[in-house]
Amino acid sequence: EAGVAQSPRYKIIEKRQSVAFWCNPISGHATLYWYQQILGQGPKLLIQFQNNGVVDDSQLPKDRFSAERLKGVDSTLKIQPAKLEDSAVYLCASSSPIRAPLGGYTFGSGTRLTVV
Amino acid sequence: GNSVTQMEGPVTLSEEAFLTINCTYTATGYPSLFWYVQYPGEGLQLLLKATKADDKGSNKGFEATYRKETTSFHLEKGSVQVSDSAVYFCALSDQRGKLIFGQGTELSVKP
Repeated sequence: EAGVAQSPRYKIIEKRQSVAFWCNPISGHATLYWYQQILGQGPKLLIQFQNNGVVDDSQLPKDRFSAERLKGVDSTLKIQPAKLEDSAVYLCASSSPIRAPLGGYTFGSGTRLTVV
Repeated sequence: GNSVTQMEGPVTLSEEAFLTINCTYTATGYPSLFWYVQYPGEGLQLLLKATKADDKGSNKGFEATYRKETTSFHLEKGSVQVSDSAVYFCALSDQRGKLIFGQGTELSVKP
C-alpha cells in the first residue's frame, strides 16, 4: 500500500511569515495525527483527527497553529505567524481506529521547517 | 495525564555489547507500549510492541517486556551492531489511539 505522503519536504521561512503543510494519509485510515518533533526531542502530538472531527488538540498552540481535514481525507497544518521556536520536523501519521492501539500507525517522512 | 520517560542519551557502546534502554510510563487504564526507531536521515519505524501486561515484544534481536507492576518497558539487545546506531523512542497508545512518545535515546555503536 502507498505510504503517508507529506509535502513539502523542506521549508525555510522568516519569522512572522506563514506556512502550510499538507498530508495525504493511507487510503481508508480514519485517524490522522500531526506531530511536532523538535531537534533532540520526541514527537509531540499537536492534533488528532477522527475522520474530519477533532479528537484531541490540547497541545496545539491555537493562537498561531490551525489544522483542518476536509472530507476526512487530506489534511493541512498552518502556522501563522511563525516563530523561531517553531523550527522542527512536522510529522503526519495515520491509522485505523481498530489498529491504532495495536501499533498500526504509519508515519510520513515529515516536513522539516526552519524559521530564520 | 499519560506520559513516557526514558533514559537520557547518548549511549555509546562497542559492537557486540549488551544494550539496555530504560523506559517507564504513567498511564490510566491499560495502554499498549511500543519502541520506535529512527535511523539517521529516515522516518520513524515501529521496532516492537506489547499490548498487555507480561507480553514480550521482539524484533531484529531486540526485546522488551511489558511490566505493569513496575510500569516499565525496557529495551534490550544481547549483542549490538554498528547498524543499530539510531535514536530509539519508547511510546504508549491509549484507548483512543493517542500515541505519546518519550524524549528519545540516541545509541551510537562503535566497531
